[in-house]
Amino acid sequence: GQQVMQIPQYQHVQEGEDFTTYCNSSTTLSNIQWYKQRPGGHPVFLIQLVKSGEVKKQKRLTFQFGEAKKNSSLHITATQTTDVGTYFCAGLRRGSTLGRLYFGRGTQLTVWP
Amino acid sequence: DTAVSQTPKYLVTQMGNDKSIKCEQNLGHDTMYWYKQDSKKFLKIMFSYNNKELIINETVPNRFSPKSPDKAHLNLHINSLELGDSAVYFCASKDVIGQTNEQFFGPGTRLTVL
Repeated sequence: GQQVMQIPQYQHVQEGEDFTTYCNSSTTLSNIQWYKQRPGGHPVFLIQLVKSGEVKKQKRLTFQFGEAKKNSSLHITATQTTDVGTYFCAGLRRGSTLGRLYFGRGTQLTVWP
Repeated sequence: DTAVSQTPKYLVTQMGNDKSIKCEQNLGHDTMYWYKQDSKKFLKIMFSYNNKELIINETVPNRFSPKSPDKAHLNLHINSLELGDSAVYFCASKDVIGQTNEQFFGPGTRLTVL
């Protein structure tokens, strides 16, 4: 079954509004990664979170890893049209075979100008 | 230089045909993957190879047969193509020893089965 749940599946926002996508794992993770896939493109690595309660920022993007290392979120402040795409979380389970990642289903973000 | 490359980029074929997709990475990584992405963007892992050895086979129909002639290449051969095989197929690679578990994806191959 689905190991990593991600919501929402779709999000439509007006440019300038904030956006958040959430991931929940059924098991404790060693780390969690986030990827962005532009329309027509391929997934591109954004960041990896390893420590319990970790928070990392990349300009307008804020990534959090939960205290129990089972959930994570990506928050974008003041979205821009360049933020359009699908955002995936991907969890690495403890003892995972050679870095096998469990991808969430992704959140497709649309930003209206 | 492209880190992970795939050919072809687009593949349109009839049901029942056999086709192959090729993947090459020049990153010196030991581990390579094949993913299938459906129309709803869900990324499903199919296979993983480490240094030419099959490590992960995610209950994929045996019409799909991966082959890794060397650790820089991972090809995917599909027999008797079905309508449900239509999807984008991504190859990815990863450095086993590296600090991060970042996977590097190829540009994808859009397969359309008519």
